[in-house]
Amino acid sequence: RKEVEQDPRPFNVPEGATVAFNCTYSNSASQSFFWYRQDCRKEPKLLMSVYSSGNEDGRFTAQLNRASQYISLLIRDSKLSDSATYLCVVNNAGNNRKLIWGLGTSLAVNP
Amino acid sequence: GAGVSQSPSNKVTEKGKDVELRCDPISGHTALYWYRQRLGQGLEFLIYFQGNSAPDKSGLPSDRFSAERTGESVSTLTIQRTQQEDSAVYLCASSPMGDTQYFGPGTRLTVL
Repeated sequence: RKEVEQDPRPFNVPEGATVAFNCTYSNSASQSFFWYRQDCRKEPKLLMSVYSSGNEDGRFTAQLNRASQYISLLIRDSKLSDSATYLCVVNNAGNNRKLIWGLGTSLAVNP
Repeated sequence: GAGVSQSPSNKVTEKGKDVELRCDPISGHTALYWYRQRLGQGLEFLIYFQGNSAPDKSGLPSDRFSAERTGESVSTLTIQRTQQEDSAVYLCASSPMGDTQYFGPGTRLTVL
């Protein structure tokens, strides 16, 4: 099982749609979780950290389910500018706390 | 404040030559990562420096790849005897330990 796994199938949605990304992780002791976005030919940038209680930032909501070892990202009322690849990141909980990346899920929002 | 910087931004080299890529992390960040990203692919972990601990080199694809970091400052990634399959964007990120990573803009390496 991969340490961090995301569904590679891309999303192709119209403007205004709601999109949900999921990510599973294998290390139950992991403590830090993040969603990044990466635009084409650009470096990844932090979208939001994911807290145990869940957190919301405008149209974006992140949630953590420790029992099932997955995190989710919900984008409401999607915009053209949301088109990007969304990457899930989890720390490995070992002594060195290395961050492990999922391969990402691509989102295309169409007019 | 200044973010992570990388140089050069683009590098074109001939097969068999050595290249050196540089990363200047955010001041005070103890962790530094190198990744490789081929066109249309995900991030491929190469190496991780954390403070004075021994680096995690588990992602280096061959002994042609090496990296150094001086204390908590600059890091260089060296690729010897470059091959065409080394063509990719090489990304550097720095982080307070175990926390959010901040990426540089990357070095786009093309091996002819």
